[in-house]
Amino acid sequence: AQKITQTQPGMFVQEKEAVTLDCTYDTSDQSYGLFWYKQPSSGEMIFLIYQGSYDEQNATEGRYSLNFQKARKSANLVISASQLGDSAMYFCAMRDAPYNTDKLIFGTGTRLQVFP
Amino acid sequence: EPEVTQTPSHQVTQMGQEVILRCVPISNHLYFYWYRQILGQKVEFLVSFYNNEISEKSEIFDDQFSVERPDGSNFTLKIRSTKLEDSAMYFCATKTGGPDGAKNIQYFGAGTRLSVL
Repeated sequence: AQKITQTQPGMFVQEKEAVTLDCTYDTSDQSYGLFWYKQPSSGEMIFLIYQGSYDEQNATEGRYSLNFQKARKSANLVISASQLGDSAMYFCAMRDAPYNTDKLIFGTGTRLQVFP
Repeated sequence: EPEVTQTPSHQVTQMGQEVILRCVPISNHLYFYWYRQILGQKVEFLVSFYNNEISEKSEIFDDQFSVERPDGSNFTLKIRSTKLEDSAMYFCATKTGGPDGAKNIQYFGAGTRLSVL
């Protein structure tokens, strides 16, 4: 069964520093997608970044990048130049088998706190 | 930027009552989902919906739950007889679909917080 593991329940980072949020996954499929979502205290789920299993380059979206290590089955999120507004819960999620079932499976999340 | 709209933002109901949660998908999106998040826990898949029928449902999505797209725009989740354990944040998500990886991104609404008393 597919599984997402986020081992860091909470992380602290100083403003303007970079931070890495860990995510490992388990799947037997060759084709899958990995996602990161941000959930501020207001509750909405905001899509941040996507990485396909066949993508050769690590995904980047502004200050967000995904450190994708396929052999290790890890998809860590790197946030550069942290801002106070980055304080939120961050969820790693996986989708497999894109042509039929494509539900997202979420990890338990990491709460990031950015301090001045 | 187009967004998924969910109403109401907060619903309070008595146990045993029926509730309907509404979602307006992004206009060109074809695939629709409901997820729930019990307070402090991870997000869980409930159901996916495509071409006016359920594609997949989880074990959580029992006979008390139903989904429909009655007017071609709104996508609704109905809980027929709410239980205390149905209290959660319910998220609607939608995507365009297709083989292009970027089109498989699910965009979430802001959620409806359901409180069952």
